Amino acid sequence: GAGVSQSPRYKVAKRGQDVALRCDPISGHVSLFWYQQALGQGPEFLTYFQNEAQLDKSGLPSDRFFAERPEGSVSTLKIQRTQQEDSAVYLCASSPSDIYGYTFGSGTRLTVV
Amino acid sequence: DQQVKQNSPSLSVQEGRISILNCDYTNSMFDYFLWYKKYPAEGPTFLISISSIKDKNEDGRFTVFLNKSAKHLSLHIVPSQPGDSAVYFCAEGGADGLTFGKGTHLIIQP
Repeated sequence: GAGVSQSPRYKVAKRGQDVALRCDPISGHVSLFWYQQALGQGPEFLTYFQNEAQLDKSGLPSDRFFAERPEGSVSTLKIQRTQQEDSAVYLCASSPSDIYGYTFGSGTRLTVV
Repeated sequence: DQQVKQNSPSLSVQEGRISILNCDYTNSMFDYFLWYKKYPAEGPTFLISISSIKDKNEDGRFTVFLNKSAKHLSLHIVPSQPGDSAVYFCAEGGADGLTFGKGTHLIIQP
């Protein structure tokens, strides 16, 4: 497709469950970002990949959060032992390493109950 | 402490009038400032940006002004249209990531 695709669109997890969120970036986009958007807040940076290399993971809130992009295209954000404060929309964006080229996906809304 | 502040959670403007959205920042290191627009259940979409070496950038109905001495950014939309109703995020950053404000919900009234 032409845009950034994220799946699932909605995920309900029981507290303590592990979840995996997928991002399919625009083909050829070198850079990939994950953001977390809590209700009433702006998106907050989690992590950044350039191709398969994770160049910045300073925004990951705890060691329960893990992201990978093994072949430099699709990326997965994994959250282990989910907690209620993990409830948020998780946004993925890709870019051809151009400040003007960020394209966001529609996000995955995670609800931890 | 927030690096990018949007102090108005919401703004209501009559259709046809000018909408002015404001943003303050604390970190002068970044080269670019951007505005994103977000509809419910969609990701943010890029609207307009400005380089830190400029003080104004215009694109159709949208103009962004940068006051570096005041560390203040504003987005002007004129004339405002019903389709402009959305949440607007101010962001700063570079090619390796963006820092967003909390957003301002713009409501255009008929």
